[in-house]
Amino acid sequence: QQQVKQSPQSLIVQKGGISIINCAYENTAFDYFPWYQQFPGKGPALLIAIRPDVSEKKEGRFTISFNKSAKQFSLHIMDSQPGDSATYFCAASMRITGGGNKLTFGTGTQLKVEL
Amino acid sequence: DSGVTQTPKHLITATGQRVTLRCSPRSGDLSVYWYQQSLDQGLQFLIHYYNGEERAKGNILERFSAQQFPDLHSELNLSSLELGDSALYFCASSDPLYGYTFGSGTRLTVV
Repeated sequence: QQQVKQSPQSLIVQKGGISIINCAYENTAFDYFPWYQQFPGKGPALLIAIRPDVSEKKEGRFTISFNKSAKQFSLHIMDSQPGDSATYFCAASMRITGGGNKLTFGTGTQLKVEL
Repeated sequence: DSGVTQTPKHLITATGQRVTLRCSPRSGDLSVYWYQQSLDQGLQFLIHYYNGEERAKGNILERFSAQQFPDLHSELNLSSLELGDSALYFCASSDPLYGYTFGSGTRLTVV
């Protein structure tokens, strides 16, 4: 119920191509779906996020597509660049009684963008 | 700078020892979360504190403990360290609108 399944585990894309990472969840109590980008030796950084009342959100080259009925969401990176090479984590958040949120992470996707 | 401060950045210690990792959340955030990241385990949730009180526990070993102080900074205490405890330890703070903001982590190496 608490899992977030992420695929693929690794991805190689040519420069200028589209990178697509998919995630799926089970628990309908999740109410916020962020994506994090992590470079080696650094902490995960929030990239883009969506709430389940929206089917798509775009910020620059990054787009989240959200399918509430299928309980799936995906990250699309358009015009992928070598600087996008990093590990990407999807996540799903739910509120905790008494305050705070609990974030459940996917297992991560290592993206490599080749020249 | 994410606004979440973790110290120290690196820590090397011997097996059996005890260490303390420190985290200061982003200004105004009441929640602190601790995560462990190792190569084979991904991001594992350890524990969550909200305004000084423990709210949730994840895969935290009994040898590990944490607390959040009145000024909202938090400490993660790791004792009887084993080689397998070598990992990156991240803390994060959160607010209702923007979710989690992670610190830059503490890299712990147990030798």
